[in-house]
Amino acid sequence: QVQLVQSGAEVKKPGASVKVSCKASGYTFTSYYMHWVRQAPGQGLEWMGIINPSGGSTTYAQKLQGRVTMTRDTSTSTVYMELSSLRSEDTAVYYCARGWPNWFDTWGQGTLVTVSS
Amino acid sequence: QAVVTQEPSLTVSPGGTVTLTCGSSTGGVTSGHYPHWFQQKPGQAPRTLIYDTSKKHSWTPARFSGSLLGGKAALTLSGAQPEDEAEYYCLLSYSGARVFGGGTKLTVL
Repeated sequence: QVQLVQSGAEVKKPGASVKVSCKASGYTFTSYYMHWVRQAPGQGLEWMGIINPSGGSTTYAQKLQGRVTMTRDTSTSTVYMELSSLRSEDTAVYYCARGWPNWFDTWGQGTLVTVSS
Repeated sequence: QAVVTQEPSLTVSPGGTVTLTCGSSTGGVTSGHYPHWFQQKPGQAPRTLIYDTSKKHSWTPARFSGSLLGGKAALTLSGAQPEDEAEYYCLLSYSGARVFGGGTKLTVL
């Protein structure tokens, strides 16, 4: 079955970077895109961007342009989301979700990133 | 950026019917916004219920349905069950950007 397994929780200091991984299994990795979505504590969902694992092309949310980078490793069926210049407002649970540009289906379990001095 | 609006909270009786809506600050919601609906229970990852306005995944209970209603996307729950108590989020697509609504907290009481 389709599974997305994300990396473990992270604690970072303001100004640092974090890289979250999402390992896919149960399907052809390059046949589906991957979205990234985050959720601050007690808040709603925020779409961060999307990557096409086939060619590596990306589209990022305007708000995060310049700070977010999504990459993939086809040899391990893993996508990565790196967020730089972290601030306290970036404290959130980060999710990957399989899909197509206008379609979502399976979600990862989430990764808590805490930004604190 | 567009703003997507949802009712902050709704209550439905067990076995009852309720409709959640999803509006857009840019005008009427159409199929071209590829409306999605997600369910999230406390401490869990979201789960996709509806995509492309009204299409269901294999795991979507039959009591959930999606539609366009009065210029908005709508999620209708017919025959509410206690396990349907959750937060529901809609998502709309805008030329490369995807925007979530603020969520509707649905209480089954």
